[in-house]
Amino acid sequence: TQLLEQSPQFLSIQEGENLTVYCNSSSVFSSLQWYRQEPGEGPVLLVTVVTGGEVKKLKRLTFQFGDARKDSSLHITAAQPGDTGLYLCAGCNRGNAGNMLTFGGGTRLMVKP
Amino acid sequence: DVKVTQSSRYLVKRTGEKVFLECVQDMDHENMFWYRQDPGLGLRLIYFSYDVKMKEKGDIPEGYSVSREKKERFSLILESASTNQTSMYLCASSLFRGGGTGELFFGEGSRLTVL
Repeated sequence: TQLLEQSPQFLSIQEGENLTVYCNSSSVFSSLQWYRQEPGEGPVLLVTVVTGGEVKKLKRLTFQFGDARKDSSLHITAAQPGDTGLYLCAGCNRGNAGNMLTFGGGTRLMVKP
Repeated sequence: DVKVTQSSRYLVKRTGEKVFLECVQDMDHENMFWYRQDPGLGLRLIYFSYDVKMKEKGDIPEGYSVSREKKERFSLILESASTNQTSMYLCASSLFRGGGTGELFFGEGSRLTVL
């Protein structure tokens, strides 16, 4: 089983601060996805990164895929209370049944007003 | 919008009881998945199915079985519930087997407590 380690597990910050969440593995993935899960809801896809070294921006969120496609980071600028939630990275590889995901343990973010 | 609906949001069962968790998706997706979510462990794959009547074991299939009689419906069965199966169960679907980015569409989850 491929493992994805996320850090930190928990993060509590004030509104306006910046933060970075890391997702690391010893395995290579064909692509990597980031999901956000709000309380009482299922995870929702934020972004997919495919190419080593790729950087994608989604408003105040910046996602980067490592050059070797083994790691990724999520940086949030000027965090807002609406960013509160559980952030999950998921590495993707092709299996017999198509694309298969391996999830990290998640980073629980709380942004205080 | 893609809709994945799980039949029960909250269930409380006793040890040894049989438990059915139902999941329905309305977008004609080929792939369907059952995950369990526990704090600090992320999502762990129990079973998945890429076609009607097809099923594949995931990473933690012990104590579970599944049924996919129709394309839109994927059921998770706990034959004899145990306390270590207390968890959040998430159903998901994805578009097709052969390609795409593999984006998963999740239901809202079923929180099962086994006493």
